[in-house]
Amino acid sequence: NAGVTQTPKFRILKIGQSMTLQCTQDMNHNYMYWYRQDPGMGLKLIYYSVGAGITDKGEVPNGYNVSRSTTEDFPLRLELAAPSQTSVYFCASRDATGSVYGYTFGSGTRLTVV
Amino acid sequence: DAKTTQPTSMDCAEGRAANLPCNHSTISGNEYVYWYRQIHSQGPQYIIHGLKNNETNEMASLIITEDRKSSTLILPHATLRDTAVYYCIVRGLNAGNNRKLIWGLGTSLAVNP
Repeated sequence: NAGVTQTPKFRILKIGQSMTLQCTQDMNHNYMYWYRQDPGMGLKLIYYSVGAGITDKGEVPNGYNVSRSTTEDFPLRLELAAPSQTSVYFCASRDATGSVYGYTFGSGTRLTVV
Repeated sequence: DAKTTQPTSMDCAEGRAANLPCNHSTISGNEYVYWYRQIHSQGPQYIIHGLKNNETNEMASLIITEDRKSSTLILPHATLRDTAVYYCIVRGLNAGNNRKLIWGLGTSLAVNP
């Protein structure tokens, strides 16, 4: 199984540009998450989804948008890129509520805004 | 969800056991202890989890104290490839826990030759 796949792996954006970070999983997981990780810091939750058509904000949602039209895909949209959004972005998924199993993470997208 | 406290960094000699402690003194009865590791900016990797009994898998062992206020992750024969940041997380299984998972700074483990 591929697990969680993120594209692109690297991207440089200019201030004010927009882009979409792609995330897809092939494990039929209901829950999907977007995290960002700044240098030397832990993960911070941006948005999450408990199933197709349902999304909710995490602790740092400002400047981002998400959609979940299918179980497999959970893209993250940056509309007006700012230097503060320079970070490594991780997508993750897990099984449904009540499952003890842990999260599966993608390999990350390293974004630089200049 | 309960917060966790871990040492900032640890060293271990290659081939020896690495014992990584975690304090979770405010853990509640239905919360599990999870361990993940992150190797050099890759995505975090699940290692092991437990509720109150000790657990072992092909990667590691997890020892949880009887009062569940602390735990230790044991890598029995550490290799250079185990050099990583190790995160201890506590999580309940209820739907409301989706937003509450707190990732601290973890323990940076250096395995030395």
